Amino acid sequence: DGGITQSPKYLFRKEGQNVTLSCEQNLNHDAMYWYRQDPGQGLRLIYYSQIVNDFQKGDIAEGYSVSREKKESFPLTVTSAQKNPTAFYLCASSPPGTEDYGYTFGSGTRLTVV
Amino acid sequence: DAKTTQPNSMESNEEEPVHLPCNHSTISGTDYIHWYRQLPSQGPEYVIHGLTSNVNNRMASLAIAEDRKSSTLILHRATLRDAAVYYCILGGSNYKLTFGKGTLLTVNP
Repeated sequence: DGGITQSPKYLFRKEGQNVTLSCEQNLNHDAMYWYRQDPGQGLRLIYYSQIVNDFQKGDIAEGYSVSREKKESFPLTVTSAQKNPTAFYLCASSPPGTEDYGYTFGSGTRLTVV
Repeated sequence: DAKTTQPNSMESNEEEPVHLPCNHSTISGTDYIHWYRQLPSQGPEYVIHGLTSNVNNRMASLAIAEDRKSSTLILHRATLRDAAVYYCILGGSNYKLTFGKGTLLTVNP
């Protein structure tokens, strides 16, 4: 079945460490996205990519980095510069343009700084 | 980005219809209206979307006002599995969907 796989489901990080969250899709979607969700809040866009080797900052990109070397993969690195990284991270993908298509979301990675 | 306004929470009884409202008075002519729902600790799930005409699918119906400044998601017979946070979102040609806090729907048995 086609879908999006995020791993790991739970991740613990020590302060000062960088961590990378994995996102893989087999839907042949061109666009991919990373969102952050804090308790009781909506989703906030971190980065998005419309095509391979291209990505744009979202609303809260500071302290995060991404790469898009393959169509299927869009990993997110949470760097030590991110001051409050504990959150629920969601990856999504969509066909070209969101006008007449929906997003497909992964099941998320819960990151905790210890 | 155009914004949407939804009630923070709503309550319904099982097997009764539910009407979830959304206001989007600054919607542009090319913005689609999307609805997603999210269960605790899961990613959002696509529910339905539309542009101008009312839409139906196996999950729900979407009623769009003639002036497109508001819309209503209709769950015809709520079940306990429909309890979730429902997001009304406007999607344009910029590849981005902006999620607000949504409406927390509680379904009583």
